[in-house]
Parts: sequence; structure tokens; C-alpha cells
Amino acid sequence: KAGVTQTPRYLIKTRGQQVTLSCSPISGHRSVSWYQQTPGQGLQFLFEYFSETQRNKGNFPGRFSGRQFSNSRSEMNVSTLELGDSALYLCASSLTGGSATNEKLFFGSGTQLSVL
Amino acid sequence: AQTVTQSQPEMSVQEAETVTLSCTYDTSENNYYLFWYKQPPSRQMILVIRQEAYKQQNATENRFSVNFQKAAKSFSLKISDSQLGDTAMYFCAFMKQRTASKLTFGTGTRLQVTL
Repeated sequence: KAGVTQTPRYLIKTRGQQVTLSCSPISGHRSVSWYQQTPGQGLQFLFEYFSETQRNKGNFPGRFSGRQFSNSRSEMNVSTLELGDSALYLCASSLTGGSATNEKLFFGSGTQLSVL
Repeated sequence: AQTVTQSQPEMSVQEAETVTLSCTYDTSENNYYLFWYKQPPSRQMILVIRQEAYKQQNATENRFSVNFQKAAKSFSLKISDSQLGDTAMYFCAFMKQRTASKLTFGTGTRLQVTL
């Protein structure tokens, strides 16, 4: 079974641009969540989607948005990029969101975004 | 809000020895889940072990076990028979029940396994 796939692995953008990151969950998983990882702030939850609906959201500005398609693939968009948006963006998938008994969240290898 | 604290930024252990990584958390919730994740240089977060707060029995997964002390809000990870492949960042994480994948992570402990 293929794991969680994130594309691209690396991205370089300049301030003010926008970027779209993609995440393909494990087959059969309906929940996709996104995390930002930086040396200063650590790992922070961005948002979670289940069956094309955002169910949960972290404390990030509106420049960060996402969506989920009917095949459970998810995209994350960051508009008007700032230097502080440079980070590793991790995607995780699970069957229902990780709270069911013995359910696990599986992470991808992330997209490293550099904003110049 | 929940907080997770890992007070050991770096640790080192010799191959085949045992090491314990510490984690404390703060929450007013009664039902929640605790996790240890491993992040090797490949950057992928790999689930090591999971503990449900309502279970008194400590979780174990092969060489990995936890010491879960609910009253003390402590959740330490013990790695037995350490192997070179255990070298990685280890993150402790908390999730409230019914919060759909919203993990709160600690700052991590960098573990180096040496020969």
C-alpha cells in the first residue's frame, strides 16, 4: 500500500507570491491534516479535512487555506508569501481523524518551502 | 489549551543500551491520546507508540515502551536495546478526544545512538 505522498519535495518562492502544496493520502483514508514545522515554532497544526469539509483549524492567518477533493487528495495554499512562511509542511492521513481506537496518523515526508 | 514539554533537547546512548526520553503535558481534559513520533533525517514522522488516557496499562511496541502517569501528567518513552537506526528526533504529542488529527507537539529530543 502506498504511503502518504507529498509533492513537490522542495519549493523556492519569493515574497508576495503564492504557493500550492499537494498531498495524496493513503488509499481509503478520508482525513487529511496539515502541519507546519519550523525551527523556532516547532510543529503546529494548520487544519484538517474530512470528506471535503474542514473540521478543524489551527491559529494561522487567512493566507493559509486548503481544500480536499472527492478522492481525498488535499491541497494547501499560501498566498502573499512572507519570509516567515519558510518551513517544512507535513501532511498526515488517517481513516477518520486519529481518535478511533488504535487508529493511526500516517505522515508524508513533507514539502520544504523556502521563501526568499 | 494543551501544552507538551520535552525537557531534554539532546540525548545520547550506546548501541544495545536502554534510554528514557521524558515528556510532561498539561491539560484539563480527561479523555485524550498521547503519542511518540520519530523523525529521522528523511523528515517523515513515524508513529512509535500510542497511549489512550483511559487505559491504565502502559503501551508497548517491541523495544519501545512508555511509562504513563496520568496523575503526574507524565509520558516517558523507554527504548531498549538501542539500535543505530533509532537515531532521530523524537516528538511527544497530545491529542484531545474528538479533535480530528489536531496534535499538539513538544519541542523534540534529538537522540543519537553511538557504537
